Amino acid sequence: GENVEQHPSTLSVQEGDSAVIKCTYSDSASNYFPWYKQELGKGPQLIIDIRSNVGEKKDQRIAVTLNKTAKHFSLHITETQPEDSAVYFCAATSGAGSYQLTFGKGTKLSVIP
Amino acid sequence: DTAVSQTPKYLVTQMGNDKSIKCEQNLGHDTMYWYKQDSKKFLKIMFSYNNKELIINETVPNRFSPKSPDKAHLNLHINSLELGDSAVYFCASSQVGGGGEQYFGPGTRLTVT
Repeated sequence: GENVEQHPSTLSVQEGDSAVIKCTYSDSASNYFPWYKQELGKGPQLIIDIRSNVGEKKDQRIAVTLNKTAKHFSLHITETQPEDSAVYFCAATSGAGSYQLTFGKGTKLSVIP
Repeated sequence: DTAVSQTPKYLVTQMGNDKSIKCEQNLGHDTMYWYKQDSKKFLKIMFSYNNKELIINETVPNRFSPKSPDKAHLNLHINSLELGDSAVYFCASSQVGGGGEQYFGPGTRLTVT
């Protein structure tokens, strides 16, 4: 089955700096890669996603890049703000045509004012 | 107008009991999921279900069973609760053919004493 590795497990940045979280996946048939933000006591919230036919996608301060050859994808947050502090999860589909997501173990991002 | 809702939010019970967690989505999605998030924040798929197919993660004990009275609801029944079942359980939904985006509920924190 699919295996998703996520790094780092914790990340502290100064407000205004950029944050990068990296994930690798094992199943070359995976074709959908979402990122979720989870605030304390809440459910994961989809913040951005990318599909295998696209190399990069941007939404305001958030961007995701995908390298299918290397089987890795990354989340980039620019101009970080204290409200960006949360746990971030990457995920990948478990296989072609499947919508069962396999999640990375999460990155706790702390933005220091 | 919550998209995915769960009840209860907190559930405290004793070992050996049987309990249920309810989930409802008003997004018109045709597929629903249950995830377990352990104390280390690791999110793991338990089930995915639509009106045609139930996919069970092979690691889920058969004490856990999903029940769907209709397309908008997927309840989770747990028999003979064990200490190791303590976790946060999340319901999610998506539309097959809609790209696979999954939307999560707020979670149910289950504590088994």
